[in-house]
Amino acid sequence: NAGVTQTPKFRVLKTGQSMTLLCAQDMNHEYMYWYRQDPGMGLRLIHYSVGEGTTAKGEVPDGYNVSRLKKQNFLLGLESAAPSQTSVYFCASKDLAGYSYEQYFGPGTRLTVT
Amino acid sequence: AQRVTQPEKLLSVFKGAPVELKCNYSYSGSPELFWYVQYSRQRLQLLLRHISRESIKGFTADLNKGETSFHLKKPFAQEEDSAMYYCALTGLGGNKLVFGAGTILRVKS
Repeated sequence: NAGVTQTPKFRVLKTGQSMTLLCAQDMNHEYMYWYRQDPGMGLRLIHYSVGEGTTAKGEVPDGYNVSRLKKQNFLLGLESAAPSQTSVYFCASKDLAGYSYEQYFGPGTRLTVT
Repeated sequence: AQRVTQPEKLLSVFKGAPVELKCNYSYSGSPELFWYVQYSRQRLQLLLRHISRESIKGFTADLNKGETSFHLKKPFAQEEDSAMYYCALTGLGGNKLVFGAGTILRVKS
């Protein structure tokens, strides 16, 4: 099993450009998450999904949109990138069964907006 | 409001010395507490959770509800422990994690 994968690994955007980050998981997990990691701020939740076709806002959702059309995929979109969105983005997934609260993380995408 | 505070950005110790990474939380209820670790060039992974009361790689963490703390401890640090450590909590249902800012642990030889 590949676990959680993210594409791309790196990307440089100019202000105003758009892009989509793809997260895929092969563990049949119900929950999926998008975080951003910034120095001194830890990981902050952008959006999350509790199942196919559902999405919800996290702590810092502004400037981002998400879609969960398939259970295994969770897409994060930036419609008009801003330098403040320069960050490392992590996707994670979690099982619904029992009391498993462990989240499984992808390798991250490093995004620079100039 | 849910909040996790890790007061130290960087903790530097010598190999063989004891380690304590501090974590304090605020939560109106009974939270579940976790420590996640990110080694260099690796993805974030769960180290331990308070509900399991386990020791992983020599690390332990005790939930102190009176002091609202969940400090991570290891009696003898090893160089391979060098990493970024995040304390995190979740509430009832466990749908969302709230992370602290993280502490970089550097173990010097």
